[in-house]
Amino acid sequence: AQTVTQSQPEMSVQEAETVTLSCTYDTSESDYYLFWYKQPPSRQMILVIRQEAYKQQNATENRFSVNFQKAAKSFSLKISDSQLGDAAMYFCAYRAPKESGNTPLVFGKGTRLSVIA
Amino acid sequence: SQTIHQWPATLVQPVGSPLSLECTVEGTSNPNLYWYRQAAGRGLQLLFYSVGIGQISSEVPQNLSASRPQDRQFILSSKKLLLSDSGFYLCAWSKKGGSSYNEQFFGPGTRLTVL
Repeated sequence: AQTVTQSQPEMSVQEAETVTLSCTYDTSESDYYLFWYKQPPSRQMILVIRQEAYKQQNATENRFSVNFQKAAKSFSLKISDSQLGDAAMYFCAYRAPKESGNTPLVFGKGTRLSVIA
Repeated sequence: SQTIHQWPATLVQPVGSPLSLECTVEGTSNPNLYWYRQAAGRGLQLLFYSVGIGQISSEVPQNLSASRPQDRQFILSSKKLLLSDSGFYLCAWSKKGGSSYNEQFFGPGTRLTVL
């Protein structure tokens, strides 16, 4: 079974600095999708960024980027120029594709990010 | 655009009472639907998912059940709540199709406290 591991329960970063959140996963599939979700204090889950396993180029979304290392099964999230609004719980998630797309996401346990003013 | 609704937003129930949480999706058809539970300070635990009306997959044996009476409606129920059922319940939907991301979009959640 696929598993997702986030080894950092908590992280902190100074405002305007850069922080990297780690995520590793275990799978025997060669084709799959990876995601980072953000859960702020409101508890609304928000998709931050996504990556296809067969794409070599790392995904970027404004201040958010990933370092995808397929061989190492690693999918870290980098947040640049951290802002107070980035403070949240961050979840890494994995999905293996099937023809119908009917495979649920597998989530890590999350990393709580604090941003220090 | 698609939207997902959950209600109620907050619920306080006594042990042994029944439960019904509702989730509806607008702006799409034939979605995959999911129920998750998040205990305090913990990650997301997938409880049920559904690929169509009347089709429910249970991921973890629970004191809970799910039903999908309509295409865009997903209901989480219990006949008798336990203290351990307390938590934050999230509903999510995704499109079908294995060749795309099919990321999940989440509702605002229901905070359930069982006393």
